Amino acid sequence: GDSVTQMEGPVTLSEEAFLTINCTYTATGYPSLFWYVQYPGEGLQLLLKATKADDKGSNKGFEATYRKETTSFHLEKGSVQVSDSAVYFCALNYGGSQGNLIFGKGTKLSVKP
Amino acid sequence: NAGVTQTPKFQVLKTGQSMTLQCAQDMNHEYMSWYRQDPGMGLRLIHYSVGAGITDQGEVPNGYNVSRSTTEDFPLRLLSAAPSQTSVYFCASMIRGEGGNTIYFGEGSWLTVV
Repeated sequence: GDSVTQMEGPVTLSEEAFLTINCTYTATGYPSLFWYVQYPGEGLQLLLKATKADDKGSNKGFEATYRKETTSFHLEKGSVQVSDSAVYFCALNYGGSQGNLIFGKGTKLSVKP
Repeated sequence: NAGVTQTPKFQVLKTGQSMTLQCAQDMNHEYMSWYRQDPGMGLRLIHYSVGAGITDQGEVPNGYNVSRSTTEDFPLRLLSAAPSQTSVYFCASMIRGEGGNTIYFGEGSWLTVV
């Protein structure tokens, strides 16, 4: 079946460090890919998405490129801030009328000043 | 979070009690769904609906009921609460567009069953 695998956390970085959170997927079709972010005590917010191979999603300094050849959608940011501390979820969806998301288990990021 | 409203935000239940988590959206989205979030397990789909009058089971439906009498509302009912249902519950709705689907989440409902 379809699945999403994320790197296990927690990830601890110093402010202004480079961030990579790995995400790979297994899918029988051609899904759209998403990154969601959950700040402490809050709900999920859509961070970015990509709907087809080679698309790059970007938002708030974060980027991820849909790589069909490696079935990956790694999240990157060049310089993290303390305010980026959160849990990040990678997810896939097949589009159309079907809105069901398959999530990875989440990666907790802590950024130290 | 794009117009998905969940209530209550926090709830403590005793084992065996029943309750309903409310979810409403005012964006005329056809698709709505419920997830539960547990530590180390990400989010798992409980039930979903592709339109009024239509519901279906997700990955973890046992112990939960849903109905979709209107486009706006998609309540989740716990029939007889168990400690294993202690979790954070998220409602979501979806908009379809030229750039693919975008799924929006409510702010969550923290449920503790004692």
